[in-house]
Amino acid sequence: GAGVSQSPSNKVTEKGKDVELRCDPISGHTALYWYRQSLGQGLEFLIYFQGNSAPDKSGLPSDRFSAERTGGSVSTLTIQRTQQEDSAVYLCASSLGISANGELFFGEGSRLTVL
Amino acid sequence: QKEVEQNSGPLSVPEGAIASLNCTYSDRVSQSFFWYRQYSGKSPELIMSIYSNGDKEDGRFTAQLNKASQYVSLLIRDSQPSDSATYLCAVPGSARQLTFGSGTQLTVLP
Repeated sequence: GAGVSQSPSNKVTEKGKDVELRCDPISGHTALYWYRQSLGQGLEFLIYFQGNSAPDKSGLPSDRFSAERTGGSVSTLTIQRTQQEDSAVYLCASSLGISANGELFFGEGSRLTVL
Repeated sequence: QKEVEQNSGPLSVPEGAIASLNCTYSDRVSQSFFWYRQYSGKSPELIMSIYSNGDKEDGRFTAQLNKASQYVSLLIRDSQPSDSATYLCAVPGSARQLTFGSGTQLTVLP
């Protein structure tokens, strides 16, 4: 597709379960970002991938959160032992390179609800 | 202090009026600034970028930057109901990510 694709669009899970969220960036974009947006809040940076460099994980809120990017393309964000405070919309974005020009293209997000 | 701060609003203006959205940032070395628009239930999209002090105009939108005051604003002239959205200010963070403000919710009343 032409845009950033995320799946699932909605996920309801029980507290303590693990979830995986997938992001397929725009073809040719080397940079990939994960953000989290809680209801009525701004975007919270989670993790950043650039090409083959080591990812910047400085925004991950706890060791229950991890992400990988295979083959420089598709990324998976994994949340282990989910908690209710993990409920949010998880947004993936990609760009041609580092965010120097601020042009991030966002997917439609994965809405996670932890019961 | 948060890196990027915005008045959360909500801000309501009548159709045809000027909407003024404000943002302050803490990192004095920031060189680039961005405004994103987010419609309800949708993802953010870039609408304006500004790199130099002064004004930058694009159609009905004007971004204003004052680096000395660490202040950036977005003016929307002749506001339309279709401009109703949340506007997010963004500044490059310490680790090559964009740091976003919490957003200002704008409602343009017909």
